[in-house]
Amino acid sequence: DVKVTQSSRYLVKRTGEKVFLECVQDMDHENMFWYRQDPGLGLRLIYFSYDVKMKEKGDIPEGYSVSREKKERFSLILESASTNQTSMYLCASSRQGAYGYTFGSGTRLTVV
Amino acid sequence: GDSVTQMEGPVTLSEEAFLTINCTYTATGYPSLFWYVQYPGEGLQLLLKATKADDKGSNKGFEATYRKETTSFHLEKGSVQVSDSAVYFCALSDGGGYQKVTFGIGTKLQVIP
Repeated sequence: DVKVTQSSRYLVKRTGEKVFLECVQDMDHENMFWYRQDPGLGLRLIYFSYDVKMKEKGDIPEGYSVSREKKERFSLILESASTNQTSMYLCASSRQGAYGYTFGSGTRLTVV
Repeated sequence: GDSVTQMEGPVTLSEEAFLTINCTYTATGYPSLFWYVQYPGEGLQLLLKATKADDKGSNKGFEATYRKETTSFHLEKGSVQVSDSAVYFCALSDGGGYQKVTFGIGTKLQVIP
């Protein structure tokens, strides 16, 4: 069964910490995405990547960075976590063409 | 820019009732359209899709037709079950190489026995 795996389901971090969220896909997909999901706001795109070492800003990149050193792995980094980054983070991957996304199960991050 | 509009809900239906969740979109070019479903505590799953005007996507008894003239992609099911309780997201892909997707806000469906 094809999968997108996010390393943690729940995380609690302190304000100012550097936080790493990891995502791994086993489908050899070119494209990978990071979204955050908040009540009343839906899903908002943070960053995406269409190839190894390539990245593009999404709609809300401020306070985040990403890394894609290998095709299967896409990491989201919160440089200095803040309470307004408390959210559900969803990773997704896709191949080229209108095939839709495969999502991971999400990481619920709480920053205290 | 591209946008997707759907009601947030919740929509509450009795088991075996008919379901319609409305979705309209604004986009340039020729987007592909999708419905995703999110069950409690899980990530989103692709439910169905349509890639061009007049296409009908269908899966698990759900269906939606790509209506270019009304810029709509309404989700329907003839007889809902308690197990259909979830949040449903309408989405469009911009048709570019990266396949960036814009999501609606999500509609919560509650089906009661």
